Amino acid sequence: GNSVTQMEGPVTLSEEAFLTINCTYTATGYPSLFWYVQYPGEGLQLLLKATKADDKGSNKGFEATYRKETTSFHLEKGSVQVSDSAVYFCALIQGAQKLVFGQGTRLTINP
Amino acid sequence: NAGVTQTPKFQVLKTGQSMTLQCAQDMNHEYMSWYRQDPGMGLRLIHYSVGAGITDQGEVPNGYNVSRSTTEDFPLRLLSAAPSQTSVYFCASRLGQGGGPRETQYFGPGTRLLVL
Repeated sequence: GNSVTQMEGPVTLSEEAFLTINCTYTATGYPSLFWYVQYPGEGLQLLLKATKADDKGSNKGFEATYRKETTSFHLEKGSVQVSDSAVYFCALIQGAQKLVFGQGTRLTINP
Repeated sequence: NAGVTQTPKFQVLKTGQSMTLQCAQDMNHEYMSWYRQDPGMGLRLIHYSVGAGITDQGEVPNGYNVSRSTTEDFPLRLLSAAPSQTSVYFCASRLGQGGGPRETQYFGPGTRLLVL
């Protein structure tokens, strides 16, 4: 079945550092890929998505590119802020099937 | 739009008690689902519904019941609470099955449940 594997956390960075959170997936065909973010005490919010190979999703300075050849969707940001501290989830969906989540990566940004 | 709303925000139960977690959405979404989130476990799907009158089990359905009598509401029932059900519960909805904007899932703020 479909699955998502995320870089294990927690990840701790200093403000203005470069961020990469790795995500790889297993699926037949061409799933849509997502990054969701969960701020402390809140529900999940969609951060960005990509629906086909080589698409780049972007939002709030975050980017992720759908790489079919490496089955990856790594999340990047050039300069993180304290307000980016949250848990990040990679996820995929394919057709009429259920949304499949990775385990989540907790990110802490220190000033 | 209020989006996806959940009540209560926090609840303490004793073992064996029953309760219903409420979930409602005002976006006319066909697809609704319940997840539980435990430390180190990510989100696990409990039950889901593809439309009014239709429900199905996810990966961890035991101990939980659902019904979907209207498009807007999708309550989750714990018939006899156990300490293993201590968790944070999230309700989510999306337009429906299929691609494009129908895929984007919206989450409620969560219900934190403690079973003693």
